[in-house]
Amino acid sequence: DAGVIQSPRHEVTEMGQEVTLRCKPISGHDYLFWYRQTMMRGLELLIYFNNNVPIDDSGMPEDRFSAKMPNASFSTLKIQPSEPRDSAVYFCASRPLGTGELFFGEGSRLTVL
Amino acid sequence: GQQVMQIPQYQHVQEGEDFTTYCNSSTTLSNIQWYKQRPGGHPVFLIQLVKSGEVKKQKRLTFQFGEAKKNSSLHITATQTTDVGTYFCAGPNSGYALNFGKGTSLLVTP
Repeated sequence: DAGVIQSPRHEVTEMGQEVTLRCKPISGHDYLFWYRQTMMRGLELLIYFNNNVPIDDSGMPEDRFSAKMPNASFSTLKIQPSEPRDSAVYFCASRPLGTGELFFGEGSRLTVL
Repeated sequence: GQQVMQIPQYQHVQEGEDFTTYCNSSTTLSNIQWYKQRPGGHPVFLIQLVKSGEVKKQKRLTFQFGEAKKNSSLHITATQTTDVGTYFCAGPNSGYALNFGKGTSLLVTP
């Protein structure tokens, strides 16, 4: 199995630009999670989906952030407009039903100038 | 909401020394998980503890879950340079996600 696949691995953009991060979970996993990692705040849960339905988006910082999961094999996290404080590593993770273990992708490192 | 706190934030040891990181929760946990993240990498699952007082071993790593299920520890015996990384504990939130501690970054010098 290829594992959780994220793209892009690195993104450098200017303040005000739209950023779209993509994730392909492991096939058959029922849950998909988006986390953000910074030195100051550690790993923060942004949102998670169960069977493509958003369950908890209380961690989404503000209206500039949105996430979708149009089907079981694809999710996006969009930031519009981006700000320098959004600079972080964004991880996608998936989990099968019945186990607690999260499988993380390699992350997307975002730098907003 | 439920939070997990980890100490220490950093630990620097000589190769061969032991290492311990501690995790404390403000509430009782149904289970606790541990992950390792190598520098520049992503978190990788190590283990899940479920039972009160549970102790599990993986080679040189020993994991404990407290009797009250509010604390946990990870102990590494005779560290090696391959142990370098950040170790996170994580507890379930009110739903099906995990709340991660800030992690303990371990540096091992040969």
